[in-house]
Amino acid sequence: DVKVTQSSRYLVKRTGEKVFLECVQDMDHENMFWYRQDPGLGLRLIYFSYDVKMKEKGDIPEGYSVSREKKERFSLILESASTNQTSMYLCASSLARDPDTQYFGPGTRLTVL
Amino acid sequence: AQTVTQSQPEMSVQEAETVTLSCTYDTSENNYYLFWYKQPPSRQMILVIRQEAYKQQNATENRFSVNFQKAAKSFSLKISDSQLGDTAMYFCAFMKFRSEKLVFGKGTKLTVNP
Repeated sequence: DVKVTQSSRYLVKRTGEKVFLECVQDMDHENMFWYRQDPGLGLRLIYFSYDVKMKEKGDIPEGYSVSREKKERFSLILESASTNQTSMYLCASSLARDPDTQYFGPGTRLTVL
Repeated sequence: AQTVTQSQPEMSVQEAETVTLSCTYDTSENNYYLFWYKQPPSRQMILVIRQEAYKQQNATENRFSVNFQKAAKSFSLKISDSQLGDTAMYFCAFMKFRSEKLVFGKGTKLTVNP
């Protein structure tokens, strides 16, 4: 079974802090994604990576950056956390040859105070 | 840009009954995929069912089936013999052919009552 794990289920940070959210997948997937989930808004794509060191902006990249130094790991970085970044963050991965099946992690619920 | 609309924010159904969740989408593409994802409370999002637009036959997975109307750009999910474990958020999603990116609707919260 594909396994996508996220470093924390719950995280509380203060405004202005630098925040790292980590995602790891164990199935050698080329594609990795970060989504933000908010009630009434569904899931929105923040960033996407299709290979190591490669990234592409999604629909809402402002205030976020990403890092992919190894194939299995994709990090989301909030350079200076703000209260409007309080949300559920979901990571997902997929194979390049089978891109239409994404596997999701359990999510990290981030609260910025 | 593609958009996905789920017009029912919340729905409820009695155990063992059938429920249909609605989804419409807007695209100028001819080749694409459509999906229903399920997110149970405090649990991971999982794929329920998917449909390739070039296939006329509606997809089915056990108690889950879709009604895909390409001309109407409609993709509804039917859950038969509803079970308590079907209680979840359900998201409809769209992917262009040869794209890696999903576009999600806002979700429908389904509650199955005993």
